[in-house]
Amino acid sequence: AQTVTQSQPEMSVQEAETVTLSCTYDTSENNYYLFWYKQPPSRQMILVIRQEAYKQQNATENRFSVNFQKAAKSFSLKISDSQLGDTAMYFCAFMKHDYHTPLVFGKGTRLSVIA
Amino acid sequence: KAGVTQTPRYLIKTRGQQVTLSCSPISGHRSVSWYQQTPGQGLQFLFEYFSETQRNKGNFPGRFSGRQFSNSRSEMNVSTLELGDSALYLCASSLEQGLGGELFFGEGSRLTVL
Repeated sequence: AQTVTQSQPEMSVQEAETVTLSCTYDTSENNYYLFWYKQPPSRQMILVIRQEAYKQQNATENRFSVNFQKAAKSFSLKISDSQLGDTAMYFCAFMKHDYHTPLVFGKGTRLSVIA
Repeated sequence: KAGVTQTPRYLIKTRGQQVTLSCSPISGHRSVSWYQQTPGQGLQFLFEYFSETQRNKGNFPGRFSGRQFSNSRSEMNVSTLELGDSALYLCASSLEQGLGGELFFGEGSRLTVL
């Protein structure tokens, strides 16, 4: 079974600064996907960024980028130029490469962006 | 296009009652999956339906069940409610779960069991 660990329950960052959220996972699979999802307060969860395990290049989406270290089973999220709207719970998630496989989530990191 | 719609958004039940939650996926999406979110256990997978058939199931007791209709709308049912069933129930739709596809989540149904 796969497990996802987010070791930082809460973090805060000043507006315009950079913050990195950590995520490690455990799996025996070689082909899989990793995700970061964002859940703002009382709002729906949305996908921030996605990484395919067979791709060595780290994914980027505007101010969001990841540091994917497959051998170390590490998948951190870097948010640059933090904005107040980035305040949310962030979940790291794993998906095995197969039909009808679910997301396996970490417990989440609550990020507060301070003005 | 419209997102994933879940109803009701909030509900309060008492122990022993049953509850039915509804999810309308994004148009064209055939997969609907359900997750339970609690402060203690985090997000846990309940089950996934695709083309009216349950394709995968998480580790939950038989009191939790679901179904999917021909228009891809899905319902989940919890019978004989327990206090521990209090949670945010999230529905997610996708073209086909697995293979790395993005899941689109609804805002959830928050169930409180008294």
